[in-house]
Amino acid sequence: KAGVTQTPRYLIKTRGQQVTLSCSPISGHRSVSWYQQTPGQGLQFLFEYFSETQRNKGNFPGRFSGRQFSNSRSEMNVSTLELGDSALYLCASSKGQNMNTEAFFGQGTRLTVV
Amino acid sequence: GEDVEQSLFLSVREGDSSVINCTYTDSSSTYLYWYKQEPGAGLQLLTYIFSNMDMKQDQRLTVLLNKKDKHLSLRIADTQTVDSAIYFCAESRNSGYALNFGKGTSLLVTP
Repeated sequence: KAGVTQTPRYLIKTRGQQVTLSCSPISGHRSVSWYQQTPGQGLQFLFEYFSETQRNKGNFPGRFSGRQFSNSRSEMNVSTLELGDSALYLCASSKGQNMNTEAFFGQGTRLTVV
Repeated sequence: GEDVEQSLFLSVREGDSSVINCTYTDSSSTYLYWYKQEPGAGLQLLTYIFSNMDMKQDQRLTVLLNKKDKHLSLRIADTQTVDSAIYFCAESRNSGYALNFGKGTSLLVTP
């Protein structure tokens, strides 16, 4: 069974640009969550999607958005990039019917904003 | 505050047991998790415990939960150098749709 796949693995963008990251969950998993990991703030929850609907959202500005497609693949978008957006962005998938009993993470996309 | 607290560093000798401690915040958290992160990698789910359990054992891993004190620990028996990594404690939030992570404990296993 394939794991959670995130693309691309690495990205370099300049301030003011926008970026789109992709996450393909484990087959059969309908919930996809996104997290930002930085040395200073650690792992912070961005948002979670289930059946193409955002079910929960963390405390991030509106520049951070996401969506989920009918095949459960998810994308997140960051507009007007700032230097502070440099981070490892992790995606997690789970069956998501009730509780996240097991959330499996991808390898992450490392975004560097210069 | 709303922080999950972990000590930042732990160093043990190969073959010894490691105990990583965590205090969490939300008494309504249903599941508590331990994840492992190796350099340059994502998070690997090691184990989790349901909040109505006191202990869970899985091979070399033992999780102890003290719900009254909101204290969670992970014991790794016979620690090996390959166990060197960062270990994150996490609690489920918002009916389980979000995980609240600690800052991670960096475990160094020396030969």
